[in-house]
Amino acid sequence: ETGVTQTPRHLVMGMTNKKSLKCEQHLGHNAMYWYKQSAKKPLELMFVYSLEERVENNSVPSRFSPECPNSSHLFLHLHTLQPEDSALYLCASSQEGGYYEQYFGPGTRLTVT
Amino acid sequence: GNSVTQMEGPVTLSEEAFLTINCTYTATGYPSLFWYVQYPGEGLQLLLKATKADDKGSNKGFEATYRKETTSFHLEKGSVQVSDSAVYFCALGAARQLTFGSGTQLTVLP
Repeated sequence: ETGVTQTPRHLVMGMTNKKSLKCEQHLGHNAMYWYKQSAKKPLELMFVYSLEERVENNSVPSRFSPECPNSSHLFLHLHTLQPEDSALYLCASSQEGGYYEQYFGPGTRLTVT
Repeated sequence: GNSVTQMEGPVTLSEEAFLTINCTYTATGYPSLFWYVQYPGEGLQLLLKATKADDKGSNKGFEATYRKETTSFHLEKGSVQVSDSAVYFCALGAARQLTFGSGTQLTVLP
């Protein structure tokens, strides 16, 4: 595997379900990000992890819970979501101290029914 | 705070036409600037970057020049192809984060 991978690519879940999104980066980076991309809205930064420590949480509802067990893996745990949470969730990674360029995974298309 | 203003879309061109997508930014200090491209059903791919004033980023026939005096980073391509149809995002890098523009949908017709 190369670059940034995300699983699953598609997920349909009910409002009472619990699921997790997984992201893995194979670039040797030390910072990872979760973004939400909804139709007709700008890309929204949700969480930032640097050196496995959360450094940013942009007022994201508590039904989204991130986890970063090491610098290569990032999870987004989901529970009791709402239909408006349906979106493309993108993971990205970068190298601290670089020029801020981020490398993105293909995303997980989430549908909440 | 930092912000990026990007040309509204959608943009529709014929194959081999010249492309310009305008991008201007507001930032303190000396940010890095990027163009990302998103093909249908995929994540964002880094297209090109410039890290200081007057730098020109280029890739796959696309170019953009970091203009500090006009706070701009316009994307250009001399001859677009159908395969260039995608959404293009201008982004500014500073303070550990990227700030994205709203994206411009480009459709190239054969």
